[in-house]
Amino acid sequence: RKEVEQDPGPFNVPEGATVAFNCTYSNSASQSFFWYRQDCRKEPKLLMSVYSSGNEDGRFTAQLNRASQYISLLIRDSKLSDSATYLCVVNNDMRFGAGTRLTVKP
Amino acid sequence: NAGVTQTPKFRVLKTGQSMTLLCAQDMNHEYMYWYRQDPGMGLRLIHYSVGEGTTAKGEVPDGYNVSRLKKQNFLLGLESAAPSQTSVYFCASSWVAGNEQFFGPGTRLTVL
Repeated sequence: RKEVEQDPGPFNVPEGATVAFNCTYSNSASQSFFWYRQDCRKEPKLLMSVYSSGNEDGRFTAQLNRASQYISLLIRDSKLSDSATYLCVVNNDMRFGAGTRLTVKP
Repeated sequence: NAGVTQTPKFRVLKTGQSMTLLCAQDMNHEYMYWYRQDPGMGLRLIHYSVGEGTTAKGEVPDGYNVSRLKKQNFLLGLESAAPSQTSVYFCASSWVAGNEQFFGPGTRLTVL
């Protein structure tokens, strides 16, 4: 089993849709988790941190489930500009998931 | 504030040639990292440094060497390039482990 696993997608959704990605991790001692966004041929940039209590930033919600060892990212009311690859990171191990590609279509 | 910069942006090497990739950050971060990104593989950690004068191996260190002589610079060396090292290389930095990482724009390396 990979240390950090993501569904590679691609997820193709219409504008306005709600889409959710999961990311599973194998190290139960992991303490810090992040979601990054990477546009085509660009560097990854932090989207949001994932806290134990969950956190929300506008249309984006991140949650952590320690018992099942996964983190999730929910995007509501998808915009065309949300099209990108979303990478989860388990930072203690500096392990990135392979990324989930999202395409939002008009 | 330039953030994290990388040079060069593109490079083509022949098998067996050597080169050094330079990463510089102006945020006074302690931690610096070198990753490679290949299609379908995500980012994989090559080497990292927890402070000036220190380096450590990551997930895929073979064929690479690094040095951190100054806090703001982290160099990645390929002594004898191989086609398997064709990849996009990203440098990143952070205050400490477990914090947000800031990435450079990447270096696209092709080894023929």
